[in-house]
Amino acid sequence: EAGVAQSPRYKIIEKRQSVAFWCNPISGHATLYWYQQILGQGPKLLIQFQNNGVVDDSQLPKDRFSAERLKGVDSTLKIQPAKLEDSAVYLCASSLVWPSTEAFFGQGTRLTVV
Amino acid sequence: LAKTTQPISMDSYEGQEVNITCSHNNIATNDYITWYQQFPSQGPRFIIQGYKTKVTNEVASLFIPADRKSSTLSLPRVSLSDTAVYYCLVGDGDSNYQLIWGAGTKLIIKP
Repeated sequence: EAGVAQSPRYKIIEKRQSVAFWCNPISGHATLYWYQQILGQGPKLLIQFQNNGVVDDSQLPKDRFSAERLKGVDSTLKIQPAKLEDSAVYLCASSLVWPSTEAFFGQGTRLTVV
Repeated sequence: LAKTTQPISMDSYEGQEVNITCSHNNIATNDYITWYQQFPSQGPRFIIQGYKTKVTNEVASLFIPADRKSSTLSLPRVSLSDTAVYYCLVGDGDSNYQLIWGAGTKLIIKP
């Protein structure tokens, strides 16, 4: 079974630039999550989708972050404009159903903002 | 929101049994306790989940006392490859079942 795919693996941008991350969840998984993980900390949930609807985006900084999940499959997370404090690993995860405590994670995208 | 407390780090040796305890004093009645493992440069991986008493799978055991205010992840006969960060999570039934992640326990296994 293929896992959660994310791209790119690494990205370096200058502050105030924009960046987008892509995620393809495990086939058939209804729920998709985006997490932000700062070095030395646990993951922080940014947004979760149930199919193509948003279940929770209470911790998403909506002035600069946006996310969409078209057709209930792939998802993109965008940051515009980026700040230095956005430097982190962005993890995508999926689970078969919602709610669920068992999620499958991708390898993440490491973003460095300089 | 339900939160967890774990030791920041632990050391052990190959072949030993390792027990990592997590406290969750404000756990709600319908919350499950879930443990994840994370290696460097990888996403977290689900290890085990339980509600009460004891749960065992091919990787670990999870012990949960009757009051459910704590839980212990037990890793039998660890090897160097078990060096990772281990996260204890408690589902928050009041916030769309959002899992709250702490800083985890960094487990270092020595030869």
